Amino acid sequence: GAVVSQHPSRVICKSGTSVKIECRSLDFQATTMFWYRQFPKKSLMLMATSNEGSKATYEQGVEKDKFLINHASLTLSTLTVTSAHPEDSSFYICSARDRTGGVDSLHFGNGTRLTVT
Amino acid sequence: KQEVTQIPAALSVPEGENLVLNCSFTDSAIYNLQWFRQDPGKGLTSLLLIQSSQREQTSGRLNASLDKSSGRSTLYIAASQPGDSATYLCAVLYSGAGSYQLTFGKGTKLSVIP
Repeated sequence: GAVVSQHPSRVICKSGTSVKIECRSLDFQATTMFWYRQFPKKSLMLMATSNEGSKATYEQGVEKDKFLINHASLTLSTLTVTSAHPEDSSFYICSARDRTGGVDSLHFGNGTRLTVT
Repeated sequence: KQEVTQIPAALSVPEGENLVLNCSFTDSAIYNLQWFRQDPGKGLTSLLLIQSSQREQTSGRLNASLDKSSGRSTLYIAASQPGDSATYLCAVLYSGAGSYQLTFGKGTKLSVIP
């Protein structure tokens, strides 16, 4: 079945550094990918919608310059947390839209636990 | 803007009971609706996906229904088990602001008591 690979699964970084998270669709092409953030004991919050070959659409309140999203190919989207701060520590999840065979479905990565010290 | 609401926020039931989780959405122009399960500290597990043209989907003890016109979906769990304890999320995929968007509800935290 369709698989979305999200890497890394866990990352610890120091304040001020940047961290890149990758989201790959392994056996389908994803023209649209979504990035989510989840705070402890909270639901998922959509950060941005990433469309291949165009700029990402960010949700209100999400800083574009801090959370850089690149969707350069049909199988890869990346989220870069720039100049990370401890408050950026969170669980980040990506999902990819699969429209293979006329069936519209979403597949999720396993998430990335980011800890900023 | 699409809003997704899940009721109740938390639910505790004894083992063996049948239960229903509710999800409502404000904009009925959706592509599909999906139910997920999330265990503490883990990612999402997709349970059932209902396309906009469908009324329900079944998988094992789970049955999800969709009434697009009223903006509602339910997830029915039969003969609940302690292993069903988790947070259940529903999400709708729709076209908004010129692109496809996915919105989640806040989830229902289910506890099944042995």
